[in-house]
Amino acid sequence: AQSVTQLDSQVPVFEEAPVELRCNYSSSVSVYLFWYVQYPNQGLQLLLKYLSGSTLVKGINGFEAEFNKSQTSFHLRKPSVHISDTAEYFCAVTPGSSNTGKLIFGQGTTLQVKP
Amino acid sequence: KAGVTQTPRYLIKTRGQQVTLSCSPISGHRSVSWYQQTPGQGLQFLFEYFSETQRNKGNFPGRFSGRQFSNSRSEMNVSTLELGDSALYLCASSPPGLSTDTQYFGPGTRLTVL
Repeated sequence: AQSVTQLDSQVPVFEEAPVELRCNYSSSVSVYLFWYVQYPNQGLQLLLKYLSGSTLVKGINGFEAEFNKSQTSFHLRKPSVHISDTAEYFCAVTPGSSNTGKLIFGQGTTLQVKP
Repeated sequence: KAGVTQTPRYLIKTRGQQVTLSCSPISGHRSVSWYQQTPGQGLQFLFEYFSETQRNKGNFPGRFSGRQFSNSRSEMNVSTLELGDSALYLCASSPPGLSTDTQYFGPGTRLTVL
């Protein structure tokens, strides 16, 4: 079975500052990793995903994440945030060895960007 | 292409009633997954349908059921509603239904049980 832990429930940050949202996962098999963003009253939008290859993954809106297998982490970073980045962010995993549409999500991190 | 659509967007029911939610995937997508989102439990996987067959199921009671039609549209049904069923129900679709495929989410149906 897989599980995901997002280490911070809320992250306040000032506009134009860098930010890191932390995600750790647990799995006995290889996994694919995802970050999704949810704006108020909307569904989830994919920011980026790691399937294989380079451990540094670049996504939309200037976000990137680094896969660290030894630490079972997949932290999300952005060098300079904007007010519009205020949203809830979810880290998710799915087993890499089977065809499945099942995503296992972390509890979410609310990013609050202050002017 | 039109995105994933879910109807209705908002729903109010009373305890004991049943409800049916609908999801229309992106054209050409064959896999549809359903999730329940609540403040306490977060996002939890309900079930996945692929080519009209349930391929995966989460840990929810039998009151939660679903189906998929030949055009890939999906419905989920909750019978004998309980207060705890109040949640945002999200549907997501993906092309062939592989683990590597991005799931595209709809805006959700917000269900309130009184």
